[in-house]
Amino acid sequence: EDQVTQSPEALRLQEGESSSLNCSYTVSGLRGLFWYRQDPGKGPEFLFTLYSAGEEKEKERLKATLTKKESFLHITAPKPEDSATYLCAVQANGQNFVFGPGTRLSVLP
Amino acid sequence: NAGVMQNPRHLVRRRGQEARLRCSPMKGHSHVYWYRQLPEEGLKFMVYLQKENIIDESGMPKERFSAEFPKEGPSILRIQQVVRGDSAAYFCASSPWGVEGAFFGQGTRLTVV
Repeated sequence: EDQVTQSPEALRLQEGESSSLNCSYTVSGLRGLFWYRQDPGKGPEFLFTLYSAGEEKEKERLKATLTKKESFLHITAPKPEDSATYLCAVQANGQNFVFGPGTRLSVLP
Repeated sequence: NAGVMQNPRHLVRRRGQEARLRCSPMKGHSHVYWYRQLPEEGLKFMVYLQKENIIDESGMPKERFSAEFPKEGPSILRIQQVVRGDSAAYFCASSPWGVEGAFFGQGTRLTVV
C-alpha cells in the first residue's frame, strides 16, 4: 500500500530562519511527487512536481528536492506570508494521489 | 482560464437528506479526483474519474456515496441519507493527463445537522 509521512507535524520559525520539511514515501512505481500549500479554509495550491531522484525545483523562497525515498521542501528566509500547511502527495501506478498529513508552518515576524 | 470550480461552497443538510456536490474541472482537463478532509486531518482519496468512467473508487464508502463525470457537465459527488459523520470539506481536483499535478477547487463544506 502506498504511504506518505511528513515531518515535523508542526514547525514554528522566526522570520528569516531557514528550515526544511520532510516527506517520506513508500510507493510501488512512483510516477510523480507533488508539493502543495494549503491555507485555512481553502483548497490546496499546487507548488511543484518532481518525477525522478536528483530532481530539484525552485519557486521564490521554496526549493523542492527528491531522492528515492524522500523529498525535502527547503524554505529560505521565510516570511510570515509563508505560514500555511504544506502537503506532500505521491502518484503511483494506481494513478490517484496519496497525500501525507501535512506540516503546519508558522513564521513569526 | 478559470480554475476548478466547486459549488456550493457551503451546504447544510439535515440527517437523512441528500447532498449533491458539483465540480467543474479546468478547461481541457479530463481527469477528476474527489477528496474528503476532516478538521486538522489530511486529504483522504475518495474517487478518481475520467469522462464517463470511474477509474478508482477504492476510497469511497460502498453505501450512500456515488460519483459521476458525464460527457457533458460537471462531475457530481452524491451522498444519500447523510449522517453527522459526513460533515467535512470535500475537495475536487482536476488534471489534464492524470500524471501532472492536480489542481484543486476551493471545496464544499458540508454540515449535517
